[in-house]
Amino acid sequence: GQQVMQIPQYQHVQEGEDFTTYCNSSTTLSNIQWYKQRPGGHPVFLIQLVKSGEVKKQKRLTFQFGEAKKNSSLHITATQTTDVGTYFCAGQTYSGGGADGLTFGKGTHLIIQP
Amino acid sequence: EAQVTQNPRYLITVTGKKLTVTCSQNMNHEYMSWYRQDPGLGLRQIYYSMNVEVTDKGDVPEGYKVSRKEKRNFPLILESPSPNQTSLYFCASSFGGVVMNTEAFFGQGTRLTVV
Repeated sequence: GQQVMQIPQYQHVQEGEDFTTYCNSSTTLSNIQWYKQRPGGHPVFLIQLVKSGEVKKQKRLTFQFGEAKKNSSLHITATQTTDVGTYFCAGQTYSGGGADGLTFGKGTHLIIQP
Repeated sequence: EAQVTQNPRYLITVTGKKLTVTCSQNMNHEYMSWYRQDPGLGLRQIYYSMNVEVTDKGDVPEGYKVSRKEKRNFPLILESPSPNQTSLYFCASSFGGVVMNTEAFFGQGTRLTVV
């Protein structure tokens, strides 16, 4: 079945440094979504990318979807303590009956040292 | 307010004692699913449902059952819980079909401990 690999598993950064997490899918995706889970919380939707080569920005966060629609990245510029948490990518495909379920990567834990 | 509600939030139980974790959504979503989250393993899908009376196995279905008798509810049933089912469980819902905006909404989570 479809697999989504996400690296790194953990990332320690100093506050103010940049952070990037990467996702790779074993199959071509219809779309990829990104979620953030704060410590003790539940995953919360950040964004969805649909088009090949798509780049979207949300303030200090930049999301990219690869040309082949098999990989994606999330980049945070100048991290802040509020960025702490686990970031998950989730790939989705469409079959004849419509949208299939999301396949999540294992997540990247972002730890920020003041 | 659009939300997914799980109950209970915390549960400690003994091996073999049947339990049900409820999940309800108020967004008229077709698609609902259950995940378990364990350290180092991320979110793994247990079961999912594409609509009423339509359920299917996810990646780790052993030891679990689900039902979807109504669109809004998707309970997770552990007929005979074992310690290896100690985990954090999340219910999620989203629109299905060919709708492109398939953002998943997650419940608050249920932390289950089986002793």
